[in-house]
Amino acid sequence: DAKTTQPPSMDCAEGRAANLPCNHSTISGNEYVYWYRQIHSQGPQYIIHGLKNNETNEMASLIITEDRKSSTLILPHATLRDTAVYYCIVSRRGKLIFGQGTELSVKP
Amino acid sequence: NAGVTQTPKFRILKIGQSMTLQCTQDMNHNYMYWYRQDPGMGLKLIYYSVGAGITDKGEVPNGYNVSRSTTEDFPLRLELAAPSQTSVYFCASSQTGEGTGNTIYFGEGSWLTVV
Repeated sequence: DAKTTQPPSMDCAEGRAANLPCNHSTISGNEYVYWYRQIHSQGPQYIIHGLKNNETNEMASLIITEDRKSSTLILPHATLRDTAVYYCIVSRRGKLIFGQGTELSVKP
Repeated sequence: NAGVTQTPKFRILKIGQSMTLQCTQDMNHNYMYWYRQDPGMGLKLIYYSVGAGITDKGEVPNGYNVSRSTTEDFPLRLELAAPSQTSVYFCASSQTGEGTGNTIYFGEGSWLTVV
């Protein structure tokens, strides 16, 4: 499974868009990019996933570069409740190997 | 539909004791997983299963055993508890979907302390 690299922490002002980057330069053609988040010590929560095309759902948007070596998770209007650790994961066959993630702090 | 249910939520073990963390899911998912998360760290995959009767090692399997006799249940056994196994344990499940991508659903976690 491809390894991912994320910044350890980021800040975002409440109401602004949060853009969380992820590098996955060794990704294979059939590997998906997943984003999960973990609030406090709760179980990780699924956000979004994609293969090649950009994806959007009610929570976020996922932008994947054309060469698929990096992606960006966008929370369009961050709220205080979005403060969490965000994990970018690349996986095939559903097996997820977590990295360290990005700790996002949304500030008033 | 309860999703993924783990028991117990909290447990204190003495060194050398054994115990089983129970996990059950009611979504008829083929894939099930056990992760551990140490303080301030990401999740590490211990074992996973792609269906009843099939299990495989993850990143950190030493000191643990699993079985998958039914689709619903995936218990994790600690045979000789050690302080290094103090952690939060998460069970998860997902629908089969090789090559299609699938979402993994997590339980609420089991806090284990070995003293």
